[in-house]
Amino acid sequence: RKEVEQDPGPFNVPEGATVAFNCTYSNSASQSFFWYRQDCRKEPKLLMSVYSSGNEDGRFTAQLNRASQYISLLIRDSKLSDSATYLCVVKGGSYIPTFGRGTSLIVHP
Amino acid sequence: DTAVSQTPKYLVTQMGNDKSIKCEQNLGHDTMYWYKQDSKKFLKIMFSYNNKELIINETVPNRFSPKSPDKAHLNLHINSLELGDSAVYFCASTPDTRGNTIYFGEGSWLTVV
Repeated sequence: RKEVEQDPGPFNVPEGATVAFNCTYSNSASQSFFWYRQDCRKEPKLLMSVYSSGNEDGRFTAQLNRASQYISLLIRDSKLSDSATYLCVVKGGSYIPTFGRGTSLIVHP
Repeated sequence: DTAVSQTPKYLVTQMGNDKSIKCEQNLGHDTMYWYKQDSKKFLKIMFSYNNKELIINETVPNRFSPKSPDKAHLNLHINSLELGDSAVYFCASTPDTRGNTIYFGEGSWLTVV
């Protein structure tokens, strides 16, 4: 089982749709969780951290379920500019971040 | 100002050649990294340096040799390039080893023919 698993997609949704991505991790000792965004042929950039109580940043909501070892990202009211690959990142005690392979999102008019 | 800059951005070279990729960060960070992103988009850490000292060395062929002349620079030298080395190589930095936000360079697209 891979350390961090994501459905690669692509998720193809119309503008205005709500879309959710899940990510599962295998190391129960993992301590920190993040979502990064990577545009085509660009570098990854931090989208948001994921806190135990869940957190929201505008149209984006991230949640963590430690018992089931998964994190999620919900995007409401999708925009064309949300089209990108969303990378789940997990860090354990060694502080080495482990990246998922990413979930591709395509928002169409 | 580009926070993490790496050169060259594109590199096409023949098998067996030796090449280097340079990286510099102007963020004052202590920790720098090299990541490899293959054709399947997996982003894997290769090396990490903290204040010029190697702290992470994942399972990478010894044809890959990182060098950190100072904490603002982390270069990657690759000997005897193979077809499988074709990938995007990202340099990155964090304030320290625990830094949560990873600042990536724009990537270096290496194609070995």
